[in-house]
Amino acid sequence: GNSVTQMEGPVTLSEEAFLTINCTYTATGYPSLFWYVQYPGEGLQLLLKATKADDKGSNKGFEATYRKETTSFHLEKGSVQVSDSAVYFCALPNSGGYQKVTFGIGTKLQVIP
Amino acid sequence: EAQVTQNPRYLITVTGKKLTVTCSQNMNHEYMSWYRQDPGLGLRQIYYSMNVEVTDKGDVPEGYKVSRKEKRNFPLILESPSPNQTSLYFCASSFAGRQGAYGYTFGSGTRLTVV
Repeated sequence: GNSVTQMEGPVTLSEEAFLTINCTYTATGYPSLFWYVQYPGEGLQLLLKATKADDKGSNKGFEATYRKETTSFHLEKGSVQVSDSAVYFCALPNSGGYQKVTFGIGTKLQVIP
Repeated sequence: EAQVTQNPRYLITVTGKKLTVTCSQNMNHEYMSWYRQDPGLGLRQIYYSMNVEVTDKGDVPEGYKVSRKEKRNFPLILESPSPNQTSLYFCASSFAGRQGAYGYTFGSGTRLTVV
C-alpha cells in the first residue's frame, strides 16, 4: 500500500523564520496529497492539498508542491508566527481510492517569539 | 456551519462498561471514518464506512464496533472497554471521489480514559 515518511520533530523556530517540513511518499499511481494541521486541543484541519503532479497547494501562507520525480510534498512557509505552533501531518489515500488514508507520524512545530 | 460533531469530548469510564461515542456530520458526506491517535503512533484507522449500511475494518478494529444506519451518523461502540483503549478518538468524513481527492473534515475529538 501507499506510505508516507515525515520528519517527527519537534521543530523549534523563532518567529519570522523560514519553515520546511519534509514529507516523502511511496504510492501506486498518482494520488492526491494533503497536509493537515492540528492545533492544541483540536481536531485535524485540512491545510492544503494537491491533486496532480506539479500542482502547488497553498493556504494561510503555507505552500507545498507535488513533486513526482522526488516523490515529495514538503511543506514550506516563508515567515512563521507563534500562532502557527501546531502539529502538521502529511497524508495520502491508499491505492484504490479514499477508503483508507495514510497519515505521517506528525511534526510538532513550536514557534517562539 | 459545515461540521463533524463528536460527543462526548471527554469520557472517563471503567473497564468493561459499554460505551458509545457519537459522530454526526451535516455535509451529506458518503464516507465516514474513525481514527485513534496515540503518542508515537500517529493516527490509526479503526473503521470506515463508504455509505449507509456499508462498513469495513481499518487497521486496528479489535474491540470496536460501528454502525451506519443513517448517512449523517456513524457511532463508535466499545462493548467492553479495556485500558489499552485509552486514547484520543477522531471521527472524519468526506465526499467520495477518485483517489480521495476531497480530503477529510474532522471532528474535535473525544478523549477516552478507561480505568
